[in-house]
Order: sequence, then structure tokens, then C-alpha cells
Amino acid sequence: DTGVSQNPRHKITKRGQNVTFRCDPISEHNRLYWYRQTLGQGPEFLTYFQNEAQLEKSRLLSDRFSAERPKGSFSTLEIQRTEQGDSAMYLCASSLSLGVPFFGQGTRLTVV
Amino acid sequence: SQQGEEDPQALSIQEGENATMNCSYKTSINNLQWYRQNSGRGLVHLILIRSNEREKHSGRLRVTLDTSKKSSSLLITASRAADTASYFCATDANSGAGSYQLTFGKGTKLSVIP
Repeated sequence: DTGVSQNPRHKITKRGQNVTFRCDPISEHNRLYWYRQTLGQGPEFLTYFQNEAQLEKSRLLSDRFSAERPKGSFSTLEIQRTEQGDSAMYLCASSLSLGVPFFGQGTRLTVV
Repeated sequence: SQQGEEDPQALSIQEGENATMNCSYKTSINNLQWYRQNSGRGLVHLILIRSNEREKHSGRLRVTLDTSKKSSSLLITASRAADTASYFCATDANSGAGSYQLTFGKGTKLSVIP
């Protein structure tokens, strides 16, 4: 296992289009997190899964955002009707229940 | 919202010198973690210090925590060019269940000149 994997690494989309990102966590990790990082800022928490259950959502996660982890393994983050303000690095992390999170390399989204 | 504030925002030093970065936070915490991020990449966990600890070492890293001042510092000794990166502190205010929601600062951008 080489760590947390995120795909794609880069995504350029036109405003108004929908995009979906995928995260494959470290295989034995039951917790999965999504964070968003804009230029010059630290990451901001979006949401968190314990196995397949989505247990916490930030108010940053508007109605246009939806995250799933259907079988408690990989997760997807979908953004509908993208806006220029959605341009950011989307980071996924995973951990054991009491462990520190391991982050993936991120998906950089550019909305033009 | 970002709880932590790193200081300085940017730091440039010569290889071999020590680098000190500071972090201040606002609310009570369960633990504080430091992460490193190379440009355009993901974050790498460096060290975790619990609220009942005052100092921790890991290789060339030394972290201190002062809960009365709500501040932490990260010292990198004998810096190398490969240490060039952004460094973030992250606080975990959740008790018991582990760090499921970290609050990051804006980071310190460290440049180590060969």
C-alpha cells in the first residue's frame, strides 16, 4: 500500500460543470476526511466518514457539494454547478480511529 | 475558520542554521500537530504533542507547547535545503475520539538557501 491516493491530480473545468474526485484511503483505515485548501491558506475541514457513515459536515460544504463512501473504502467528492470560488486543492486523508491522518497528494481544481 | 496563526509567515535562512516557527491558537485543545507541505503537494505529518506535554523531540525537530499562552513552537535544527516547504500547525479540540477535525493555521513558508 503506497498511501492515500487521489484522482485526478489536476482538473480544469468550465463554470457550471459538475466534477467528481476520488480518494482511495490506506486500506485498513476506517476514517476518511476531506479538506479544502485555497492558495496561501491552510487546509479547511469539509467532512469526515467513519467507515461508510458521514458523521460530520462543515458549513463550508454547501448544497452543491456531496461526498460518499459507499462501502467504507474509497470516497468520492462531487461538486455540482462549479463556481470560480470552488477553485482550490481538495485534500483527502485517512486514519485509524485514534491515529493521526495521512494525507493524499490532493486534487487541484481550476474553474474557468 | 482558521484557529491557528503561524509566525512568521515566511522565513529564509542559510543551510545549517536553525529555523523556529511559532503557532498561536484560540480555544482549548486536545493535541497540536505540525505538518509539512511541499509546494503543490499533500501534507506530511511531522509530530504530535498532547495538551499535557510541554516538549517533544523527533530527530532534528523540537516542539514545545504552552497551553497557558495557547502557543507552540517548532524548531528545526541544522536545516537543509530539503527542509524548504510550508509548515502548518493544526489543533484538535475534540476530546476522546481522536483527531477527526483538525483546524489548521495559514502556515510558515520556510526557504533554506544552500
